[in-house]
Amino acid sequence: GAGVSQSPRYKVAKRGQDVALRCDPISGHVSLFWYQQALGQGPEFLTYFQNEAQLDKSGLPSDRFFAERPEGSVSTLKIQRTQQEDSAVYLCASSYGPRGEQYFGPGTRLTVT
Amino acid sequence: AQSVAQPEDQVNVAEGNPLTVKCTYSVSGNPYLFWYVQYPNRGLQFLLKYITGDNLVKGSYGFEAEFNKSQTSFHLKKPSALVSDSALYFCAVRDIDSWGKLQFGAGTQVVVTP
Repeated sequence: GAGVSQSPRYKVAKRGQDVALRCDPISGHVSLFWYQQALGQGPEFLTYFQNEAQLDKSGLPSDRFFAERPEGSVSTLKIQRTQQEDSAVYLCASSYGPRGEQYFGPGTRLTVT
Repeated sequence: AQSVAQPEDQVNVAEGNPLTVKCTYSVSGNPYLFWYVQYPNRGLQFLLKYITGDNLVKGSYGFEAEFNKSQTSFHLKKPSALVSDSALYFCAVRDIDSWGKLQFGAGTQVVVTP
């Protein structure tokens, strides 16, 4: 079946612009995670949804980062007033439950110029 | 706090030789450990996990990992490496105090030469 998909795959933004990154999880997966992967590093947790509820946003680096999953399926990660340090690959993962195996999407590579 | 460490930035191995990628962990309580592989411009792919049970865990693509509680290690192994195994490998631990978020190591680049 279809895996986790993310769009766009690549995004270039000028500093100060707002961006929106989309994640389509595997159908029926209750849990959805967002991670940020800086160049040469391992992914870092950003936020977690169980259905439409955002249960953990402890990893969001600033109040410029906002995520939502209004209908418990597609999720959007929004970054306002982008800064150069926001340049990274943003990974989305879904699982059937919080303790299930996480399946990752291909990521969105964000470059802020 | 829970964490994993991957002491090697890169591992070089000739095709057909055994491959080992090292990982050590630090957790409170029982560890839930994972290995993922990342190919260029692709997301992470799950290889295997240790939750409980046998210390030798078998996974995808001929990989296995050995859990060693006394050494707090979870090394990834493959008896005979392929050129196509060249990729970035991540060890991760699941944070049992949260909703299942993973904490990843920095990654180890594996280069398999023909």
